[in-house]
Amino acid sequence: GAGVSQSPSNKVTEKGKDVELRCDPISGHTALYWYRQSLGQGLEFLIYFQGNSAPDKSGLPSDRFSAERTGGSVSTLTIQRTQQEDSAVYLCASSLGDEQYFGPGTRLTVT
Amino acid sequence: GENVEQHPSTLSVQEGDSAVIKCTYSDSASNYFPWYKQELGKRPQLIIDIRSNVGEKKDQRIAVTLNKTAKHFSLHITETQPEDSAVYFCAASRGGNEKLTFGTGTRLTIIP
Repeated sequence: GAGVSQSPSNKVTEKGKDVELRCDPISGHTALYWYRQSLGQGLEFLIYFQGNSAPDKSGLPSDRFSAERTGGSVSTLTIQRTQQEDSAVYLCASSLGDEQYFGPGTRLTVT
Repeated sequence: GENVEQHPSTLSVQEGDSAVIKCTYSDSASNYFPWYKQELGKRPQLIIDIRSNVGEKKDQRIAVTLNKTAKHFSLHITETQPEDSAVYFCAASRGGNEKLTFGTGTRLTIIP
């Protein structure tokens, strides 16, 4: 079946602009996660949604970052007033059990 | 919170030899330990995982061992091939759809 998809694949934005990144999880997966991977670095947890529970936002680096998940499926990560240090690959993953499956990521470049 | 350390950061191995990557974790409540392989420009791919109720798991040329007492786990790749060249990440979580905490990655290069 279809895997996790993300859009756009690449996004170039000017410093100070807002951006929205989208994630479509695997159908039926109850949990959805956002991670960030800076160039040559590991994966940093941002936020995750599990069913109808309140999301775990403990990894969000600042209040410029927010995310929502509508109807228990698609999720949008919003970054307001982007800064150059926000440049990274933003990865989404979904799971039904322990195993998390990743999307291809959105490469965000803030100029 | 959980802290995962991974070593080495880079590893070069002659084709056909074995490669070992080691990770330690800090949260004694962690009970799920996956390993991901990430090729350049690609998404991380789950290659093997282990849960705390077992000490070792093997899948063809790949094996993972877990020592819960010492809080460390390792990835073993035998008979390495050029296509094994990639960055490998270990991770840990409390399981049950909990977030993953990742190690910093190991860049494995297989020398033909």
